[in-house]
Amino acid sequence: QQPVQSPQAVILREGEDAVINCSSSKALYSVHWYRQKHGEAPVFLMILLKGGEQKGHEKISASFNEKKQQSSLYLTASQLSYSGTYFCGTGGRPSNTGKLIFGQGTTLQVKP
Amino acid sequence: NAGVTQTPKFRILKIGQSMTLQCTQDMNHNYMYWYRQDPGMGLKLIYYSVGAGITDKGEVPNGYNVSRSTTEDFPLRLELAAPSQTSVYFCASSYGGKVTGELFFGEGSRLTVL
Repeated sequence: QQPVQSPQAVILREGEDAVINCSSSKALYSVHWYRQKHGEAPVFLMILLKGGEQKGHEKISASFNEKKQQSSLYLTASQLSYSGTYFCGTGGRPSNTGKLIFGQGTTLQVKP
Repeated sequence: NAGVTQTPKFRILKIGQSMTLQCTQDMNHNYMYWYRQDPGMGLKLIYYSVGAGITDKGEVPNGYNVSRSTTEDFPLRLELAAPSQTSVYFCASSYGGKVTGELFFGEGSRLTVL
């Protein structure tokens, strides 16, 4: 089951903050976050594991709520380089280890 | 290290033709994946493999076949190409274990079926 991301698109000014959400109808074991620039391959940002872990990457952080089966990506003081499409990828229980399904993506545009 | 290498980068096929997209990785990863991405859309999992000799279907496996005879290579075979298979195909790999690790993606193969 594909995870659902919201919002579909966000337009920001430099320095503003944004939150991207990722929800699943199935129990989650791990959540990946990737960013893709136009015409390029996705690039890894971070992995979160069950247990409500919060990880950080520069000014980008994320949380994982296993009970609610959702993850949120926080972009603070956004920079022009943050523009792109963000994808969450979800993995199920260890029995499904290996399988990683991505959401439909959230397009972020940061303007000067 | 080259990482994940995909060939070809671009290909135009006629309806009904067959072809193989090649993918090789030099990171000794045991997990490998094939995703397709239609214009303006997300990544759809076609097939994945957790080790040599082991493959499994993803979300959209119809019209494709894979094999994994070595740790390094994971070719994707398109049989009887159809316009609906026009897409960008990404191969990826990761270390495996209890949790799937970071995915390393190839540069993509852009396929057009006319």
